[in-house]
Amino acid sequence: DIQMTQSPSTLSASVGDRVTITCRASQSISSWLAWYQQKPGKAPRLLIYKASSLESGVPPRFSGSGSGTEFTLTISNLQPDDFATYYCQQYNSYSTFGQGTKVEIK
Amino acid sequence: QITLKESGPTLVKPTQALTLTCTFSGFSLSSSGVGVGWIRQPPGKALEWLALMYWNDDKRYSPSLKSRLTITKDTSKNRVVLTMTNMDPVDTATYYCAQTPYGSGSYTYWGQGTLVTVSS
Repeated sequence: DIQMTQSPSTLSASVGDRVTITCRASQSISSWLAWYQQKPGKAPRLLIYKASSLESGVPPRFSGSGSGTEFTLTISNLQPDDFATYYCQQYNSYSTFGQGTKVEIK
Repeated sequence: QITLKESGPTLVKPTQALTLTCTFSGFSLSSSGVGVGWIRQPPGKALEWLALMYWNDDKRYSPSLKSRLTITKDTSKNRVVLTMTNMDPVDTATYYCAQTPYGSGSYTYWGQGTLVTVSS
């Protein structure tokens, strides 16, 4: 199984900050990686697919990069609506989610 | 407009089987590339991928749960059914179904989720 490790587990930030979340795969997954945002009691929302492609309707302050085993999600100019938990997902071999990164208000 | 909705029991006893139905609209599971998957999330924990059914009847299962899972589809009724056998309290979770377009494996549309509690 491919394991996905996110860091940090929790991130404290302020409105307007630039934040970066990292996701590492236990083996190469090429660019088959997605990022999701989840708020309490809600289903996840797709933000980024194929490592760097922005899903339709997602604000451009969200961006993704990486390939192989290391990936990042960057949120520039953090907005109040962005405080949530973020998950990465690999879909190169079956599928696996990371353990999540909670972005909280500093 | 694409929508998905999960249905099934909210409470199951240990050792029983769980059957969940995903009823969807706005797309067809006979369209090339389309898939419907199941993902679960225990309370306060991370997402866990379970299974995926493709338009061409190809099926994929989580290796760690493969022996307990069965996924089927009824294209005419726009439904995908997941069965999980031998339920245990650790299987208590919100179960989501979600659509992946173009065979990609990333999930664009999600149902609201249904909480299943396993308890005697």
